Amino acid sequence: EPEVTQTPSHQVTQMGQEVILRCVPISNHLYFYWYRQILGQKVEFLVSFYNNEISEKSEIFDDQFSVERPDGSNFTLKIRSTKLEDSAMYFCASNDGPGGYTFGSGTRLTVV
Amino acid sequence: RKEVEQDPGPFNVPEGATVAFNCTYSNSASQSFFWYRQDCRKEPKLLMSVYSSGNEDGRFTAQLNRASQYISLLIRDSKLSDSATYLCVVTSNTGKLIFGQGTTLQVKP
Repeated sequence: EPEVTQTPSHQVTQMGQEVILRCVPISNHLYFYWYRQILGQKVEFLVSFYNNEISEKSEIFDDQFSVERPDGSNFTLKIRSTKLEDSAMYFCASNDGPGGYTFGSGTRLTVV
Repeated sequence: RKEVEQDPGPFNVPEGATVAFNCTYSNSASQSFFWYRQDCRKEPKLLMSVYSSGNEDGRFTAQLNRASQYISLLIRDSKLSDSATYLCVVTSNTGKLIFGQGTTLQVKP
């Protein structure tokens, strides 16, 4: 069964450092997303991406965040200057429009 | 009002019990509705979509009441392996997923 792959599974970084979270969506999917889940809280939408541009972003997705699809397969989330409150699970997801979402297994980001 | 509201639980039930979860949503324009399952520190996994006519998948039955903006999930004959957090999820006008807080189920022997 096709899957969404995320790397790394766990990233520890110092406050103020830049991190890049990587995702390989399902190859024939057209819509890509990042969600995050702070420990003990609900899953929250960050950003959606379609046709090589952001189609929607949440209030959480401020200037510190950016997304990119640098080639035909990868979809990345960059946090420029991490804060303690950025510590969370970050999930990448993709779908083909009418079909259901497929989530990756997530990257646990710990900011110290 | 929260966009998607669930009773967080936990629901502690014995094996074999029937358990029901409820969910309400605020956006009457939502088009698609789902129940996801999330195990501890894992990604959400689609359990089932929810349709107005109601739908069943084995021991799981989902119902949607658009007029009341209410979604339910019924699990019959609970198994130990059903222990997880169940997430009520709706789509926004733009298609993104909006998650509830989740309801935790613990099935005990």
